[in-house]
Amino acid sequence: DIQMTQSPASLSASLEEIVTITCQASQDIGNYLSWYQQKPGKSPQLLIHSATSLADGVPSRFSGSRSGTQYSLKINRLQVEDTGIYYCLQHYSAPWTFGGGTKLELK
Amino acid sequence: QVTLKESGPGILQPSQTLSLTCSFSGFSLSTSGMGVGWIRQPSGKGLEWLANIWWDDDKYYNPSLKNRLTISKDTSNNQAFLKITNVDTADTATYYCPRILTGSYFDYWGQGVMVTVSS
Repeated sequence: DIQMTQSPASLSASLEEIVTITCQASQDIGNYLSWYQQKPGKSPQLLIHSATSLADGVPSRFSGSRSGTQYSLKINRLQVEDTGIYYCLQHYSAPWTFGGGTKLELK
Repeated sequence: QVTLKESGPGILQPSQTLSLTCSFSGFSLSTSGMGVGWIRQPSGKGLEWLANIWWDDDKYYNPSLKNRLTISKDTSNNQAFLKITNVDTADTATYYCPRILTGSYFDYWGQGVMVTVSS
């Protein structure tokens, strides 16, 4: 199985700050990586697909990047509504696997 | 407009079989590349992928649940199903059925259905 190691597990940041969350894949997964945001009591919402493509309707302050088997989600100018838990997902091969999640809070 | 809605028994007893239904609209599971997945999330914990089913009836399962899972679909009625046999308290979770777009990521999610396994 492909392991997705997500870091940090939790993060406290200030408004307008730049935030970066990382997922390290245990092997090559190409661009088969997506990012999701989940707010309390809600279902996850797609942010980024194919490692770097912004999903429809997602603010442009969100971006995804890839360096080898390391994938990053960057939030430019953090806003209040960006708090929540973020997950990466590899869908390169079954079993699809999620990262452990990053809880993002406002400082 | 794509919508998905999960439904289930709410509560069931250990050793019973959990049957979940995903009713969707705005797309067809007969369209090439389309799929539906099942994901679960115990309260306060992370997401766990369970299974996927594709337009061509191809199926993939999480091996960690061994042979307890069965995924199926009813294309004509726009529904997908998941059965989990021999449940125990560890199967208590919110279950989601997101759509899979063009063989890849989950783009639309249902609201989820809570399932409690308790004696």
